[in-house]
Amino acid sequence: SQQGEEDPQALSIQEGENATMNCSYKTSINNLQWYRQNSGRGLVHLILIRSNEREKHSGRLRVTLDTSKKSSSLLITASRAADTASYFCATDEIKAGTALIFGKGTTLSVSS
Amino acid sequence: KAGVTQTPRYLIKTRGQQVTLSCSPISGHRSVSWYQQTPGQGLQFLFEYFSETQRNKGNFPGRFSGRQFSNSRSEMNVSTLELGDSALYLCASRFSTGFVGYTFGSGTRLTVV
Repeated sequence: SQQGEEDPQALSIQEGENATMNCSYKTSINNLQWYRQNSGRGLVHLILIRSNEREKHSGRLRVTLDTSKKSSSLLITASRAADTASYFCATDEIKAGTALIFGKGTTLSVSS
Repeated sequence: KAGVTQTPRYLIKTRGQQVTLSCSPISGHRSVSWYQQTPGQGLQFLFEYFSETQRNKGNFPGRFSGRQFSNSRSEMNVSTLELGDSALYLCASRFSTGFVGYTFGSGTRLTVV
């Protein structure tokens, strides 16, 4: 079963614009991770944020985590056409052991 | 270093048959997990192996099984295939548990006809 819900389901922007995706989850977590998937291929790990962290940066990516609201956001700055992909948040639940629980994803389309 | 390798990339099987998928993790990674991805259900956890032991199992019927070998390579088996088993099966590995992300393979696309 899915834990998270991503919002929006789809996002279309122009190159150079910023893209923001949101993720909500339901139970207590150890950490939250974001992954990218291109055209139904394998997932690529982007960033992991621990439950005691509030913000994390990696290159053009900025992730925030609000455990009180059980939500996270992923910001991609200065988007490029190559950022076109599906983005998934995945929670590492305390009670789920080693299983990642994925949301349904946000499909990002960046046009030039 | 080489990534996670899944074989075969594509597979077409008939209902009722069984199938075995293979996953070679990144060298040194002892944890291997399997996920099923379908348009309707999204990404769902199947099971996770660590040092040849199944450490966690998702909510899938007993037709889905797996194992891990001493070299950390893993296989998953689906018996008595059903049309609904058509999916992208993804394998992921990581060195151990904790605050690290997974490295995923490119997946095996299984089509059941």
